[in-house]
Amino acid sequence: DGGITQSPKYLFRKEGQNVTLSCEQNLNHDAMYWYRQDPGQGLRLIYYSQIVNDFQKGDIAEGYSVSREKKESFPLTVTSAQKNPTAFYLCASIKDPRLLGTEAFFGQGTRLTVV
Amino acid sequence: EDQVTQSPEALRLQEGESSSLNCSYTVSGLRGLFWYRQDPGKGPEFLFTLYSAGEEKEKERLKATLTKKESFLHITAPKPEDSATYLCAVQETSGSRLTFGEGTQLTVNP
Repeated sequence: DGGITQSPKYLFRKEGQNVTLSCEQNLNHDAMYWYRQDPGQGLRLIYYSQIVNDFQKGDIAEGYSVSREKKESFPLTVTSAQKNPTAFYLCASIKDPRLLGTEAFFGQGTRLTVV
Repeated sequence: EDQVTQSPEALRLQEGESSSLNCSYTVSGLRGLFWYRQDPGKGPEFLFTLYSAGEEKEKERLKATLTKKESFLHITAPKPEDSATYLCAVQETSGSRLTFGEGTQLTVNP
């Protein structure tokens, strides 16, 4: 079955550590996105990528980094510079964002907790 | 900058009590407006895409409508299993960004 896989589902980080969240899709989608969701809040865009080896900052990119070396993979690194990283992280993909109204598909999320 | 505002933040209904959720948006040009349902601890699940003013789409007890400034998600005779957070998102014509609202948390009591 095609879909988006995020791992791990739960992640604990010590202060000062960098951690990497995995996002893999086998839908052959061009664009991929990372969102952050805090309790009772909507989704805020961290980074997005329309093609391999290219990505753009979203609204809250500070303290995060990404790479897009392969079409199917878009890992997110939460660096020690991110002062409040505890949140629910969601990865999404779109087949071709230039097409009218193509919807985004989401993974099941990674819950990151700083301990 | 794209803006999406959803209201109310939370809505509590009795089973069978119909109501509507609102999504107001500001974009330079709308490529699509999307409605998603999100259950606690899960990723959002796609419901509808609307492209142009006047468009309507239905799925079971849900009906989405679109005007030039807002969209409504109408819930007819809701059931407890409709309890979830409903998210609205817009995509503008000039790029790939997908901007979400804060969501409406719906609770349907039996």
